[in-house]
Amino acid sequence: NAGVMQNPRHLVRRRGQEARLRCSPMKGHSHVYWYRQLPEEGLKFMVYLQKENIIDESGMPKERFSAEFPKEGPSILRIQQVVRGDSAAYFCASSERVSGYEQYFGPGTRLTVT
Amino acid sequence: QQQVKQSPQSLIVQKGGISIINCAYENTAFDYFPWYQQFPGKGPALLIAIRPDVSEKKEGRFTISFNKSAKQFSLHIMDSQPGDSATYFCAASGDSNYQLIWGAGTKLIIKP
Repeated sequence: NAGVMQNPRHLVRRRGQEARLRCSPMKGHSHVYWYRQLPEEGLKFMVYLQKENIIDESGMPKERFSAEFPKEGPSILRIQQVVRGDSAAYFCASSERVSGYEQYFGPGTRLTVT
Repeated sequence: QQQVKQSPQSLIVQKGGISIINCAYENTAFDYFPWYQQFPGKGPALLIAIRPDVSEKKEGRFTISFNKSAKQFSLHIMDSQPGDSATYFCAASGDSNYQLIWGAGTKLIIKP
């Protein structure tokens, strides 16, 4: 049973470009959560999605950031017009049921904005 | 009230010793307290978790102690090994809230 998969693992973008981060949840999991981790800090919740629905995006900046979880395919976190402050590790987690319980994390995408 | 405070920030323990990491919370609605282990370049992995209806949970060399009245919980790693060297995060959430609230992390180094 494959775990949560994220790609790319590393992404370098110049300021002003777009970054697309992909997450495939564990088999049988329909709840996806995105977190951001700055160096030497804990993770910060960004957004919670179910298939085709954004349930809670309260932790996501209102501008430039968007997320989706289509009926088919992975969840996508999209950052438009990236700035240096967007440089961070972005982790996706999935769970079988909606809750904080037993969220399983992917390996993360490390975004560097130059 | 949504914060989880974790200490120490870093910890060095001799091989075979006991590693202890502490967390404190304010929100009494929290009812799930997991610990995650993260190696460099990897995602956090769920290590052990506890609910407030028990005061202690043990899995192998890892033990969570929970003090509901003090709103504190801690991770104890017995017989610490160099392979335990990692960053450890405590977190908390409530049954009706899927948002995990994370501590800032403790970088643990086990010296051979």
